[in-house]
Amino acid sequence: AQSVSQHNHHVILSEAASLELGCNYSYGGTVNLFWYVQYPGQHLQLLLKYFSGDPLVKGIKGFEAEFIKSKFSFNLRKPSVQWSDTAEYFCAVTKGGGADGLTFGKGTHLIIQP
Amino acid sequence: NAGVMQNPRHLVRRRGQEARLRCSPMKGHSHVYWYRQLPEEGLKFMVYLQKENIIDESGMPKERFSAEFPKEGPSILRIQQVVRGDSAAYFCASSPGGSGSYEQYFGPGTRLTVT
Repeated sequence: AQSVSQHNHHVILSEAASLELGCNYSYGGTVNLFWYVQYPGQHLQLLLKYFSGDPLVKGIKGFEAEFIKSKFSFNLRKPSVQWSDTAEYFCAVTKGGGADGLTFGKGTHLIIQP
Repeated sequence: NAGVMQNPRHLVRRRGQEARLRCSPMKGHSHVYWYRQLPEEGLKFMVYLQKENIIDESGMPKERFSAEFPKEGPSILRIQQVVRGDSAAYFCASSPGGSGSYEQYFGPGTRLTVT
C-alpha cells in the first residue's frame, strides 16, 4: 500500500517569503499526485495535480509543484506568499491508471504573518 | 453548477445511536468517495462507490459502518451503534469517472460528535 509523508507539520512565514512544502510518497508504480488546500472554515480545494508529462506543474494562486520520480517527491512551492495563503495543505496520491481513493499525508499547517 | 453537497454539516449522537451522513455528488459525477478525518490526523480513505456498486471498501471498519450509493438519491454513510471514537469529520468527494478523470472534488464535510 502506498503512503505519503509531509515533513513539516507547522510552518510559519512572513509575507513575501518563499515557500516550499515537502511531500514524499512510497509506491513503486505509476502514480497520480495532488496538492489540496483547506482554508479556515472551508472545504478541501484542489491546488494542482500531476498525472503525466511535464514534471513541473502549475496550479492556482501562483503555486507550483515538481515531480521528481527518482526521489519519490512532489514538493509544493510558491515564490512569494501572502497572508491569505494561511491554510492547511495536504499532499495526496493515487495509483496511476485507476480511480482509487486518495492516500493523504497528515497535512502542513501554514501560517503567514503580515 | 453546485458543488458536492453534504448534510447535515454537524451531527450530534449519543453512544449507541445511529448516524446517517448524506452526500450528493456534483452533477454528472458517478463516482463517490468517503473519507474520515480524526483529530490531529490526515484524511483516511474509507470507501469508493459507483451507482449501486461498492468498488473498494478497504478503508471501512469491519463492523457498524456501511455505505451505499443508490440509483436515485444521495450516497449514504451509515454508522450503527456509534461510539466516542467515531467522533470525526467525514468528507465526501466525487469525480466524473472515465479514463483520465481522476480529480476528486470535496464537500464541506459532516462533523460527527458522539456524546
